[in-house]
Amino acid sequence: DAGITQSPRYKITETGRQVTLMCHQTWSHSYMFWYRQDLGHGLRLIYYSAAADITDKGEVPDGYVVSRSKTENFPLTLESATRSQTSVYFCASRAGLESDEQFFGPGTRLTVL
Amino acid sequence: GESVGLHLPTLSVQEGDNSIINCAYSNSASDYFIWYKQESGKGPQFIIDIRSNMDKRQGQRVTVLLNKTVKHLSLQIAATQPGDSAVYFCAENIGANYGQNFVFGPGTRLSVLP
Repeated sequence: DAGITQSPRYKITETGRQVTLMCHQTWSHSYMFWYRQDLGHGLRLIYYSAAADITDKGEVPDGYVVSRSKTENFPLTLESATRSQTSVYFCASRAGLESDEQFFGPGTRLTVL
Repeated sequence: GESVGLHLPTLSVQEGDNSIINCAYSNSASDYFIWYKQESGKGPQFIIDIRSNMDKRQGQRVTVLLNKTVKHLSLQIAATQPGDSAVYFCAENIGANYGQNFVFGPGTRLSVLP
């Protein structure tokens, strides 16, 4: 499928388990981002990546790990899930700094019990 | 689908009327702003952007106004249609790395009445 996709769309897990959320984009965009969206907070940046093998922390990185071995994929891992990580997670991509538009994926709703 | 927020500020407008959605941003040094539209169960969708060297920018049926003096941004939607019903939120770029450090507002739910 063309565009930016996320999987799974819904996930329920338990406290302490490791969870990986996948993000894939077909445009070969340089920049990719992970956000979480919670009531009252809007979107908050977790991590971003400027290119393969280049990642950096955003506003709320604690408890998350990312990797970017390939340009098109940007997985987000919760190494030991906590209830506070229950949220909707959005992945986004952007062609480059010269490009204004940032494209978002459909989101993953994660529930940590 | 994912619910964006059940307790967001809500703006209800009659179909065909104009809508004005407001946003107060936080950083006087922010130099780039975006308005997004988010429909239920979907990711945010880019609507229009504006740089700080502009006061106004127009798109198709949408206009963004920027008042740097009071750090206020507004989105005007002309002839609002049922398909405009969604959550709208603004984003400001506050980072030195252009476009990488956006702060997003919590959003306003627009409800279009028939």
